[in-house]
Amino acid sequence: EIVLTQSPGTLSLSPGERATLSCRASEIVISTYLAWYQQKPGQAPRLLIYGVSSRATGIPDRFSGSGSGTDFTLTISRLEPEDFAVYYCQQYGSSPRTFGQGTKVEIK
Amino acid sequence: EVQLVESGGGLVKPGGSLRLSCATSGFNFRDYSMNWVRQAPGKGLEWVSFISSTSKYIFYADSVKGRFTISRDNAKNSLFLQIDSLRAEDTAVYYCAKDPSGTYQYYFDYWGQGTLLTVSS
Repeated sequence: EIVLTQSPGTLSLSPGERATLSCRASEIVISTYLAWYQQKPGQAPRLLIYGVSSRATGIPDRFSGSGSGTDFTLTISRLEPEDFAVYYCQQYGSSPRTFGQGTKVEIK
Repeated sequence: EVQLVESGGGLVKPGGSLRLSCATSGFNFRDYSMNWVRQAPGKGLEWVSFISSTSKYIFYADSVKGRFTISRDNAKNSLFLQIDSLRAEDTAVYYCAKDPSGTYQYYFDYWGQGTLLTVSS
């Protein structure tokens, strides 16, 4: 199965700063089949990005995704207070679908 | 508005069984594949099982194969997960999650709020 490794484990930033989250796959992710989710404490994950760079319905444009092959990035251009959460990447190009271990974005 | 509402979690002894349910609304349930995804306390997300819109295709994670059974009732807009031979490592919040497709396995575009299953003696 494809192992996704996210870095850093924790990102400490201030509101208004730019966040750059990395997701590295153990094998090439087929057909840009990579998604990103946001999860806040006590809540279900929420889809942010699919197909590497397509924003899900209602997701603000400060969230953007990029990458190809084995290296992918989620960028939050200017952190809002509600963006402090855990972020997961997920690949769906190969079975089984797998998630990264998560990156926590915390307030500095 | 798409809604997924899980139920059926609770405290179960090792070796026991449980059936989780997911009631859905706000979309044409019979047209979409569905999944169960779990999250152990303080841990990350793990895909557990997939069922296509017509139940033709069913898949399980290796960690649950032979013990978990996914099913759906398209007439009742509901998804189920029968869990047998429970182990301590099955302790998790179980999420019902919708696929954007009726056949293939993609990402998860909508999630329920989850139901907690605790396996302990």
